Amino acid sequence: NAGVTQTPKFQVLKTGQSMTLQCAQDMNHEYMSWYRQDPGMGLRLIHYSVGAGITDQGEVPNGYNVSRSTTEDFPLRLLSAAPSQTSVYFCASSPGTGDLYEQYFGPGTRLTVT
Amino acid sequence: GQSLEQPSEVTAVEGAIVQINCTYQTSGFYGLSWYQQHDGGAPTFLSYNALDGLEETGRFSSFLSRSDSYGYLLLQELQMKDSASYFCAVRDTDYKLSFGAGTTVTVRA
Repeated sequence: NAGVTQTPKFQVLKTGQSMTLQCAQDMNHEYMSWYRQDPGMGLRLIHYSVGAGITDQGEVPNGYNVSRSTTEDFPLRLLSAAPSQTSVYFCASSPGTGDLYEQYFGPGTRLTVT
Repeated sequence: GQSLEQPSEVTAVEGAIVQINCTYQTSGFYGLSWYQQHDGGAPTFLSYNALDGLEETGRFSSFLSRSDSYGYLLLQELQMKDSASYFCAVRDTDYKLSFGAGTTVTVRA
């Protein structure tokens, strides 16, 4: 199993550009989530999904969209990038909502918006 | 909303014991998790406490007191490879995991 994979590893965007961060898992996990990590602020939840076709907002959803058309994939879209979205983005998954306490994280995408 | 407090930094020597405290205020509570993150890496799961008491996993132990809204992670026989950031996290009632800001542990020779 590859676990949770994320692409790209690094990305530089100009203000106003849009892009999609890819996340995939091959463990047949129902629950998937996106976090952003900024220095000194821990991990903040952007969006999450409890299964294919179901998504909901986390703590900091503004400026981001998600969709979950398959169990495996959970892409994160930045609609119009802003410097405040410069961060490290992690995708994570767990077998189900009952196992939410143990999430498996991808390697992260380091995004810089200039 | 959720609020988790943990110290920002701890420094100790190899072989020592370190305790990282975490206090929380949450609207719902299903349990307290701990994650480790090495510099530049992804967070990895360490332990979970749903009930009061001590859980031991090798050199690491985690404790929970639900009545005090308090838990800690105990790192024993510290090794250089334990230098990392450690996060406590609480699941609330809405299928979300809320993380603390993290504690950076530095192990010195």
